[in-house]
Amino acid sequence: SQELEQSPQSLIVQEGKNLTINCTSSKTLYGLYWYKQKYGEGLIFLMMLQKGGEEKSHEKITAKLDEKKQQSSLHITASQPSHAGIYLCGADMTDSWGKLQFGAGTQVVVTP
Amino acid sequence: EPEVTQTPSHQVTQMGQEVILRCVPISNHLYFYWYRQILGQKVEFLVSFYNNEISEKSEIFDDQFSVERPDGSNFTLKIRSTKLEDSAMYFCASSESGGRAETQYFGPGTRLLVL
Repeated sequence: SQELEQSPQSLIVQEGKNLTINCTSSKTLYGLYWYKQKYGEGLIFLMMLQKGGEEKSHEKITAKLDEKKQQSSLHITASQPSHAGIYLCGADMTDSWGKLQFGAGTQVVVTP
Repeated sequence: EPEVTQTPSHQVTQMGQEVILRCVPISNHLYFYWYRQILGQKVEFLVSFYNNEISEKSEIFDDQFSVERPDGSNFTLKIRSTKLEDSAMYFCASSESGGRAETQYFGPGTRLLVL
């Protein structure tokens, strides 16, 4: 079974609409990271949430960590074409000290 | 803003050849990592490195792989005898320390194609 599951796999959203991506861990989380990747390019760090039910925002992107559910959500408000890309969650889990495990990614397409 | 850099951006090699992928981590960072992403698959951890030693490695990181910090700025990944299945994007990352929930900053990657 997958240790870090992301949903949805992909989504198409109209410019100006909101979107939410979820990331669920099968193990205790010590740190949950959100990265953005353009196809075939590097990973751009967005936010990191630590154990303890944090919520962080940067511009139009908000990420939350639900400690009990071992789940994080990434919410984009009023999406723009610049938000298009692949969003990856990565986690520092109980048996993976110092190494990140990643979800499969969510491809976001923003249409006019 | 400081960033991790990697060279080359693309590398094409013949099966069985040795390749060296280079990375310059962020200057005050002490922990270094290599990850890879096979096309269409997840990003996978390969190895972490601290104080001139491997801290942890995955089962992917077999005897064909090695890492080195040859000087104060570079961090390299060597694949001794490349296989077709080594074709992937290789990412270097660094973090200030190696503690839990320590942000890792990734480089732009080197795309390796083994023919």
